[in-house]
Amino acid sequence: DAMVIQNPRYQVTQFGKPVTLSCSQTLNHNVMYWYQQKSSQAPKLLFHYYDKDFNNEADTPDNFQSRRPNTSFCFLDIRSPGLGDAAMYLCATSRSMQEKLFFGSGTQLSVL
Amino acid sequence: GQQVMQIPQYQHVQEGEDFTTYCNSSTTLSNIQWYKQRPGGHPVFLIQLVKSGEVKKQKRLTFQFGEAKKNSSLHITATQTTDVGTYFCAGRSNDYKLSFGAGTTVTVRA
Repeated sequence: DAMVIQNPRYQVTQFGKPVTLSCSQTLNHNVMYWYQQKSSQAPKLLFHYYDKDFNNEADTPDNFQSRRPNTSFCFLDIRSPGLGDAAMYLCATSRSMQEKLFFGSGTQLSVL
Repeated sequence: GQQVMQIPQYQHVQEGEDFTTYCNSSTTLSNIQWYKQRPGGHPVFLIQLVKSGEVKKQKRLTFQFGEAKKNSSLHITATQTTDVGTYFCAGRSNDYKLSFGAGTTVTVRA
C-alpha cells in the first residue's frame, strides 16, 4: 500500500498560472518535506513541517508556499510558475528529524 | 553551510564487477543515510549509519561511516543489472539538517 501519495503524477501549467501540488501520508509521521529535483541533480529541500511548525529554507523563493492543514496532508503552492520551476517535486515524511525519509512518487511539473 | 560532496557522478560498470561511491562532508555529521533512485522513480531509503567507523552490509552492498564521521562509502560487489540507478548519500548535521550529495548514477554493461 502506498504510504506517501502524491497527486497528480504529471502536472502541466502555464507560465504565471498558480498551481498546487498535493501530498498525503498514511504513516502518521510528524515531519513532512517538499523537495525539488531537477534532471540529474540531488533533491533540494524547499521547506518542511514539524507538526504545524513551518520551516523555510533560506534560499527557497517566495514564489513557493506550503500548507499543512492536518497531519496527513501537505500542499505545495507555486504562485507564479516560471520556466525554471519545471522539475520533479518530491514529498517526503519522517517520524522525527533524525530518522529516514519516505518519499512519494513525485509530481513532474511542466511549465509552458 | 554544510556541503556533502559525492563522487563519482557517473559509474559505468561491467556486470559482475565491483565499484565504490564516496561521500564527503565539510562538517561532522550526526548520521548519514543512503538512498537509491531507480530511473523514473523516487528515492528509496537503503540504510542509516550513526556510529563512528560503523560498517553495515546488505547482501552485496557494504556501507561504511568514517572514524571522523565526515565521510562514507558504498561498495557494491558483483554488480547486477538490478543495481542500475542513482545512489545518493545524505548527511545529517547536528541541527538535524539533511543535505543530499549529487548522487552517483550507475549503469551496467551486460
